[in-house]
Amino acid sequence: DSGVTQTPKHLITATGQRVTLRCSPRSGDLSVYWYQQSLDQGLQFLIQYYNGEERAKGNILERFSAQQFPDLHSELNLSSLELGDSALYFCASSENPGGESTFGSGTRLTVV
Amino acid sequence: QQQVKQSPQSLIVQKGGISIINCAYENTAFDYFPWYQQFPGKGPALLIAIRPDVSEKKEGRFTISFNKSAKQFSLHIMDSQPGDSATYFCAASGLGNDMRFGAGTRLTVKP
Repeated sequence: DSGVTQTPKHLITATGQRVTLRCSPRSGDLSVYWYQQSLDQGLQFLIQYYNGEERAKGNILERFSAQQFPDLHSELNLSSLELGDSALYFCASSENPGGESTFGSGTRLTVV
Repeated sequence: QQQVKQSPQSLIVQKGGISIINCAYENTAFDYFPWYQQFPGKGPALLIAIRPDVSEKKEGRFTISFNKSAKQFSLHIMDSQPGDSATYFCAASGLGNDMRFGAGTRLTVKP
């Protein structure tokens, strides 16, 4: 157990739908990162939060949004889902921005 | 933009051999260079990391070599074992900068 908790582990939904992925960072970590990993692909950085504030944006689609709450957990919202959004979504956390990151076990999203 | 370039994309090594994966970075503000190991269906896990004040760091069979002037760093896995078969990602970050990952190397160690 890495200390980073992601729920749900698996999610199957239809095209056009909206889903919310949840991440609880490791205790003491203030930064949360979201990554997308498609089949046999690398880790695509989506977005970073630090202590509730958005800090960096990567290749995140406009249909996707995220936030970090006062208790430091984070949610990634994916809307108007398309087949191509099927992927593993990882959350990672670190104590400081750019510091050692610990990953969760991911949410596998399947859009049918 | 890809700030960390990783090669090779895939690597096959015999058991007991040396696995070498290379990465190059662009941003001179990076000052933290970790390597992550990922098994299928699992999240990446930190394997070993280095900061640019040293040129080499060794932990067991895993060694990072770092060349600041060339902006390159590499992972060496000595005495490679079938259990090392996984995807390896290099990464780079600096204080205040989000971590940038390489594209990954799929390592297969044949028994």
